[in-house]
Amino acid sequence: QKEVEQDPGPLSVPEGAIVSLNCTYSNSAFQYFMWYRQYSRKGPELLMYTYSSGNKEDGRFTAQVDKSSKYISLFIRDSQPSDSATYLCASINGGYNKLIFGAGTRLAVHP
Amino acid sequence: KAGVTQTPRYLIKTRGQQVTLSCSPISGHRSVSWYQQTPGQGLQFLFEYFSETQRNKGNFPGRFSGRQFSNSRSEMNVSTLELGDSALYLCASSSAPPGQGGGEKLFFGSGTQLSVL
Repeated sequence: QKEVEQDPGPLSVPEGAIVSLNCTYSNSAFQYFMWYRQYSRKGPELLMYTYSSGNKEDGRFTAQVDKSSKYISLFIRDSQPSDSATYLCASINGGYNKLIFGAGTRLAVHP
Repeated sequence: KAGVTQTPRYLIKTRGQQVTLSCSPISGHRSVSWYQQTPGQGLQFLFEYFSETQRNKGNFPGRFSGRQFSNSRSEMNVSTLELGDSALYLCASSSAPPGQGGGEKLFFGSGTQLSVL
C-alpha cells in the first residue's frame, strides 16, 4: 500500500463547476500537506500548503486536511479551462525535503 | 529571480550507457533534491543534498548517484541505463535546510525528459 493514495482520474468537468480532488494517507506522522499543480511538460508548482488539520483558502482554491480520517482534499470553485492540469497531493516524511506524492489526478475543464 | 534550471530538457540514450543531468537551484538556495516521475510509479524521491553533502536518499539502486558543488549546483548520474529508467527527472531547490522545512519552500524545475532505447 502506498503511503499517499490518489485516484488518477481523469476527471472532466464543465467550466464553472466545483471540483473536488481527494487523497488519503496512511502515515500518522505526516504533518505537512501540499497540493501541487503540474502542466504538461512542466515541473510541479506549489498550489496550497497546510499544516496539521483544518482548512486553508486562497482565492478559488480551498485545501482541507482531516487528520482523524487521514483525508486530504482540494476544492476548486468556478473552475476555468486554465485549471486543466494534473493535481498532485503530497506530504512530508521525516522533516527533510522528502515529499511523498500521490499518483496525481488529471483534470480537464472544458468550455 | 530565475527559477530552477535543468539541462538538458530532453535526452535520448541507449541501454547500458550512462547519463549526467544538471540542476542549477534558485539563487541563494542551498538544498537541492531530485525526483523521478514515471507514469507507473508517479513522483519518487531520489536524494537530497545540502552543503555538498547527501542528507537523505530514496529507495533507488546504486546506479543512481548525485553530487552538489560549492555553488549549490547539482548533478545526478545514472550508470548502466535500463529501459525502466525512462522518466522525467525533476530537480527541486529549497531555502530551508533539511529538517527545517515543511515543503512549502520547495520549488521545482521543468525537468529533464530521459528516454532510454
